[in-house]
Amino acid sequence: GAVVSQHPSWVICKSGTSVKIECRSLDFQATTMFWYRQFPKQSLMLMATSNEGSKATYEQGVEKDKFLINHASLTLSTLTVTSAHPEDSSFYICSARMAGGANYGYTFGSGTRLTVV
Amino acid sequence: AQSVTQLDSHVSVSEGTPVLLRCNYSSSYSPSLFWYVQHPNKGLQLLLKYTSAATLVKGINGFEAEFKKSETSFHLTKPSAHMSDAAEYFCVVTPPMIGGSYIPTFGRGTSLIVHP
Repeated sequence: GAVVSQHPSWVICKSGTSVKIECRSLDFQATTMFWYRQFPKQSLMLMATSNEGSKATYEQGVEKDKFLINHASLTLSTLTVTSAHPEDSSFYICSARMAGGANYGYTFGSGTRLTVV
Repeated sequence: AQSVTQLDSHVSVSEGTPVLLRCNYSSSYSPSLFWYVQHPNKGLQLLLKYTSAATLVKGINGFEAEFKKSETSFHLTKPSAHMSDAAEYFCVVTPPMIGGSYIPTFGRGTSLIVHP
């Protein structure tokens, strides 16, 4: 149980275009989802926290107009990288917490490798 | 406030020898602690978690970790390393279930290298 499906696994796009990444909780309701960015050989950097039905909370330094997060239902959150540039190339990972609190752990998606050319 | 320190950026072992990945935390409350593994270009997989129950926690793939409050440690161990254990390991601390923002804090990661 507690599976999070992240799609696509990898994407290559041209500079200036937008890319949408989906994160779905398949067998549980996720009241809160987290979006992380991971640079090579580094730990995960939290970008934003999204709660179903409300606006995402962005971490300091993360451009909310560039990284649009939508959490329209208890099973789906999306991250849209708008007007992508090569410096946005990275590994993006979503995480969902089961309704019930932190003790249930956080289930991670398989990640999306974004390459902007 | 909470923080987590993974003391080693790299750990190198031979196949069949024991593994020790160290993690120390600081927290102003009784935290929940997790170990995750990440294989190259993959997402994170939960190995085990401590949530104020038994202090010795057994996880998947033969890994276990012991919560030592007096030492504020949660080291990950495995008796015998396998080649497939080569990966990045992250120690994570979160606030307890009651209250708090539940945002997990990640260690910087420890790269486990397994030699044949």
